[in-house]
Amino acid sequence: AQKITQTQPGMFVQEKEAVTLDCTYDTSDPSYGLFWYKQPSSGEMIFLIYQGSYDQQNATEGRYSLNFQKARKSANLVISASQLGDSAMYFCAMREGRDTGRRALTFGSGTRLQVQP
Amino acid sequence: EAEVAQSPRYKITEKSQAVAFWCDPISGHATLYWYRQILGQGPELLVQFQDESVVDDSQLPKDRFSAERLKGVDSTLKIQPAELGDSAMYLCASSFSGKGNTIYFGEGSWLTVV
Repeated sequence: AQKITQTQPGMFVQEKEAVTLDCTYDTSDPSYGLFWYKQPSSGEMIFLIYQGSYDQQNATEGRYSLNFQKARKSANLVISASQLGDSAMYFCAMREGRDTGRRALTFGSGTRLQVQP
Repeated sequence: EAEVAQSPRYKITEKSQAVAFWCDPISGHATLYWYRQILGQGPELLVQFQDESVVDDSQLPKDRFSAERLKGVDSTLKIQPAELGDSAMYLCASSFSGKGNTIYFGEGSWLTVV
């Protein structure tokens, strides 16, 4: 079974508008971390935001916020005030287990976001 | 800002030839990962090191792929012989071993096998 599911292969958004990228996950471990990465066409994976399974509040980093709904096992990325430079692939990823610092990430298939002027 | 260094950035090789990729993680990062990313897909873990020891290589095609991190710092991923299906981007990443710590990625090495 897929551990990370991103159901939107591609998304369009108008510049300056907000956009939500969906991510659902599957784990039986009570301790896990959820990550979002941005991958521009150059290929580098850029870390955006992190949410721990025990975190009480949704994570925020500048224009990025993570809408964490634990019961639904979803961790959607919200980008506010989209900019042309936000056009890229976006990957949701998960790290399972209590000792999460030693675990690898499992990635979803990604969502390609295109910001239109 | 400290970065994960990878080389070469681009590599074109003929089928059945050997190819190697090098990675230098962020200083002090004990955990090092090699991922493979086929075009249009998410990265998949090939091998994970903790210091110089392999923690997980269950997805590494060991008949042709090898990885080492002899002194627990930089690492080399080798493919011999290369096959057409190995064309992909090879990403190196590193992290501290503490709870919740972020994994930082290098720029990746693009491999094309012809």
